Amino acid sequence: EDQVTQSPEALRLQEGESSSLNCSYTVSGLRGLFWYRQDPGKGPEFLFTLYSAGEEKEKERLKATLTKKESFLHITAPKPEDSATYLCAVQAMNTGFQKLVFGTGTRLLVSP
Amino acid sequence: ETGVTQTPRHLVMGMTNKKSLKCEQHLGHNAMYWYKQSAKKPLELMFVYSLEERVENNSVPSRFSPECPNSSHLFLHLHTLQPEDSALYLCASSQTGLAGDPYEQYFGPGTRLTVT
Repeated sequence: EDQVTQSPEALRLQEGESSSLNCSYTVSGLRGLFWYRQDPGKGPEFLFTLYSAGEEKEKERLKATLTKKESFLHITAPKPEDSATYLCAVQAMNTGFQKLVFGTGTRLLVSP
Repeated sequence: ETGVTQTPRHLVMGMTNKKSLKCEQHLGHNAMYWYKQSAKKPLELMFVYSLEERVENNSVPSRFSPECPNSSHLFLHLHTLQPEDSALYLCASSQTGLAGDPYEQYFGPGTRLTVT
């Protein structure tokens, strides 16, 4: 069964204090791994798609990396506006459509 | 309007009521999804429509009934719900490709449903 585990469950950082969020996955052949950001009371906002081990993508203070077992979302010098829940999801090779399996997310709080 | 919109944003209903959730996408996509999001649980896929045909019904109780009249609109009809159905219901859309290419899904803001 395809599975996604995110850690930590919650993370509190000071503004400017860099850190990483982890997404470990078990899937029968990875078609794609997705990162989303979700603010309270809103729907998830798409950030990145990673397709194969070794791939990296960046957007402002965020950088996502991928290995064969896990993905990291690195946050460099975070600001309070980066506070949100970050969700990871995978799509397996054996699905005929865009079925995503999500983790429970990491709640990030960045204090000024 | 841009992106994916959902109405209503908040809904309180009794267990004997019938209501409908509406989703509209303005992205030109041809696949639409309903998800349920409960506290402390991962997003749960409920239904998928691809090219207006339902391709997934993820063991969802029959008190939830989806409808996709065209590629831009998706409804979720609700009847005889239970208190445990209270959750955030999210609609999403994406492109579809050959052999399930990994296109990203774009989400609406959700409907916060409370069943009393």
